[in-house]
Amino acid sequence: QQPVQSPQAVILREGEDAVINCSSSKALYSVHWYRQKHGEAPVFLMILLKGGEQKGHEKISASFNEKKQQSSLYLTASQLSYSGTYFCGTEIGGGSEKLVFGKGTKLTVNP
Amino acid sequence: EAGVAQSPRYKIIEKRQSVAFWCNPISGHATLYWYQQILGQGPKLLIQFQNNGVVDDSQLPKDRFSAERLKGVDSTLKIQPAKLEDSAVYLCASSLGYSGNTIYFGEGSWLTVV
Repeated sequence: QQPVQSPQAVILREGEDAVINCSSSKALYSVHWYRQKHGEAPVFLMILLKGGEQKGHEKISASFNEKKQQSSLYLTASQLSYSGTYFCGTEIGGGSEKLVFGKGTKLTVNP
Repeated sequence: EAGVAQSPRYKIIEKRQSVAFWCNPISGHATLYWYQQILGQGPKLLIQFQNNGVVDDSQLPKDRFSAERLKGVDSTLKIQPAKLEDSAVYLCASSLGYSGNTIYFGEGSWLTVV
C-alpha cells in the first residue's frame, strides 16, 4: 500500500530541473506532496485530486495521472532552498483521509 | 493562525521506561493524526482520530502504545515500556476532517531510547 517514490536521491546544481515520481498499486483519491528539511516538520507543498489536474506553486508544479495512479513533482530552475527530502502521501478512496507516505526522495541542490 | 503544537520537543529515556507526548492541533481541526518517523524513512501512521473517536489504529503497537484525545481537542500518545526501536520522531498532524484536505504537521517530538 505504501507508494513508491523514485529516484531515491537527486543531486542538482542551482538552476537545474528535477522530476520526482510517486506511484501506487491502488486507485488513488488524492496525492499530497511535502518537503522536509533535516530536523524539521514536513511542510505542505500541494494536493492533487483525482482528475489529472496539474497544480503549480512558483517553480514547483505537479501532475496526477489517474489512469497510471502516478504523480510527478516538477522542480524547475532549482534554488538552494529546495534542498530537502520530498515525500508523497497518498490517500486511497474518498473519505478515509488516511495518508500513506513513500520513503522519500532526497534532493540536494549545490551552488 | 497558530500551528500544531507538540511537547516535549526532545526526550531521552532508558528502555523499559515510559514517556508521554502531547499535541494540540490547529483550532477547529476535527482530525488528528500521530505519525512515527524513523530516521531516513517516511512518516508512518500510528493512529487517526476524528473528533474524539478512533478512525484507524491498525499500525499502533497496542501492547505498548496508547493514545487518547479527550474532548476532541488535545491528544496524548504514551509509550510504556519503551524499546530501543521506538527511537524516532513522533509527529502530530491535524486537518479539517474531510478527504483531500491539507494535513498540517507539528514540529515533532524526538525520542531517543537508550
